[in-house]
Amino acid sequence: AQTVTQSQPEMSVQEAETVTLSCTYDTSESDYYLFWYKQPPSRQMILVIRQEAYKQQNATENRFSVNFQKAAKSFSLKISDSQLGDAAMYFCAYRSSLYGNKLVFGAGTILRVKS
Amino acid sequence: GAVVSQHPSWVICKSGTSVKIECRSLDFQATTMFWYRQFPKQSLMLMATSNEGSKATYEQGVEKDKFLINHASLTLSTLTVTSAHPEDSSFYICSAPRTVRSSYNEQFFGPGTRLTVL
Repeated sequence: AQTVTQSQPEMSVQEAETVTLSCTYDTSESDYYLFWYKQPPSRQMILVIRQEAYKQQNATENRFSVNFQKAAKSFSLKISDSQLGDAAMYFCAYRSSLYGNKLVFGAGTILRVKS
Repeated sequence: GAVVSQHPSWVICKSGTSVKIECRSLDFQATTMFWYRQFPKQSLMLMATSNEGSKATYEQGVEKDKFLINHASLTLSTLTVTSAHPEDSSFYICSAPRTVRSSYNEQFFGPGTRLTVL
């Protein structure tokens, strides 16, 4: 079974600075998807960024980018120019490309942004 | 974008009663929906996969007689917590996958339902 590990329960960043959230995963599959979701205090889950495993190029969405290391099974999220609105719980998630749409979530990282 | 709604957004009930939570895909059809449970500051725990027109698939350790799931139409799945007890108090979230491009589905999440059992 696939597992997703987020080893940082909490992180803090100064406004306008850069922060990196870590995620590692374990799978025997070669084709899959990885995601970062944001859950703000409203608790609505918001997709931040996705990465398809067959793509070598790291995904980027505005201030959010990932460092995808397939061999190391590592998928970190970098947030540049942090804003107060980035404060939230961030979840790393895995989805097999073969076995339906089920998501496997990591434990989450609480990100605090200081002004 | 695609929207998934949940109703109610919060509910308080007495111990021993049953509570029904609805999950609707508002602008797309979903043959599959997922139900999660989340405790404060913890991750989402998948409870079950709701399948339109057939029985739900429950994750290991989830009591199917306790958490009844019905996926009666392509836009509606319901989760009924039967004979609720205080330990069932939690935040329940549903999600539904929607095809956004060929061979790729994206999960859209409902806003969640906070259940408090007194």
